[in-house]
Order: sequence, then C-alpha cells, then structure tokens
Amino acid sequence: DAKTTQPNSMESNEEEPVHLPCNHSTISGTDYIHWYRQLPSQGPEYVIHGLTSNVNNRMASLAIAEDRKSSTLILHRATLRDAAVYYCILNHRSNYQLIWGAGTKLIIKP
Amino acid sequence: KAGVTQTPRYLIKTRGQQVTLSCSPISGHRSVSWYQQTPGQGLQFLFEYFSETQRNKGNFPGRFSGRQFSNSRSEMNVSTLELGDSALYLCASSLRGGAQTQETQYFGPGTRLLVL
Repeated sequence: DAKTTQPNSMESNEEEPVHLPCNHSTISGTDYIHWYRQLPSQGPEYVIHGLTSNVNNRMASLAIAEDRKSSTLILHRATLRDAAVYYCILNHRSNYQLIWGAGTKLIIKP
Repeated sequence: KAGVTQTPRYLIKTRGQQVTLSCSPISGHRSVSWYQQTPGQGLQFLFEYFSETQRNKGNFPGRFSGRQFSNSRSEMNVSTLELGDSALYLCASSLRGGAQTQETQYFGPGTRLLVL
C-alpha cells in the first residue's frame, strides 16, 4: 500500500513561512495528494490537494515534486492559530481509501 | 450551515459491551465516512456510506459495523468491546463521496470512547 512519511514535529516562528515536507515514494500515477490539519481537540480540516501541478489557495500552497515522490505544504506566514498536526494523505484510487500518514506536529513560537 | 455533529462526545464502556455512535452530516451531504484515531495507529478508515449503502470498508473486524439512514445520518456500532477499541471515532461528510472523488471531507469533533 502506498503510504506517506512526515517528520514527527517542526517548529517555526510566528509570521515566518513554514515548509512541511511529505515523502510518498510509492505513490501511484492517479493518486491525489491531500493535506488536512487537526487542531487540538478538533476533527481534521481540509487544507489543500493536488495531483501534479503546484496548487495555491487562501490557506496554503502545495508544491509537488516533478517525480511526485514528495510534496511540500507551504504556509506563507504562520500564525499561532496554525499550530496543529498536519497530515499528508494519499487518495488511494485502487480501493478509494484515504491513506493517512502519522502527521507532523507544527509548533509556532511567538 | 451547521457542521458535522457527533453524539455522544464522550463515552465510557466496559469490555464485552456494545456501543452505538451517531453522526449527522452537513445538510445536503450524502456521503459519510468513519475513522478511528488512536495514538499508536493514527487515523484509520473504517467505512464509507453513500445513499444508505456501504461503499467502502477498511481493514477492521466484523465487530465494527455501520448504517446510514435515508436522511444521510449515520450510526456505527461496535460489539463485544475490547480494550484496544478505546479511541477517538471521527465522522466526516462530503457531498457525493470523499475518497472516490477529490471532494473535501468535513469532519465532526469526534466521539471519545474509553473501554475499561
């Protein structure tokens, strides 16, 4: 099964950009890459998703490597409210299940 | 629009008992997925329902079951509870189907189940 690998935790200063990496070396050609985040005591919330091209939305940007074996979630200007666990997920098309990684705990320092 | 609601929020049961958890999706959403979240295994997909039919199922034993009603509300049931079933159970809804499309899944706050 395709899976994702993320660092356990990362720290960043408030109002600085944050780059959250994800490795998915066994990704299949039609698997989409999704990112969700989970704030303390809440359910996960959608951040962004993409297939091959880089994607931008109001929350973040997603940079996908040319070989698609890795991707990076970019928060352009982190705030304290961005402190959460960030999950890199593959939409596993062969059995239509979302394969969740262990997530990266993002700590924002004021 | 109201978000996804789950009841109860907290539950304590003993081994061998059974439990039923409820999920009300966002109005108009017809797909409901269930996940189990534990510190050791992370988030694991249980099953997905669409139009009252189970469309996908994860790798969980038959003790875990679910159903969906005509108003899209869903319940999941765990029979013969084991200590290892202690977890946060999350429900997510989407318009037509979270995993089969690229639709956003909207999660509820979860039900925290403790099995003693």
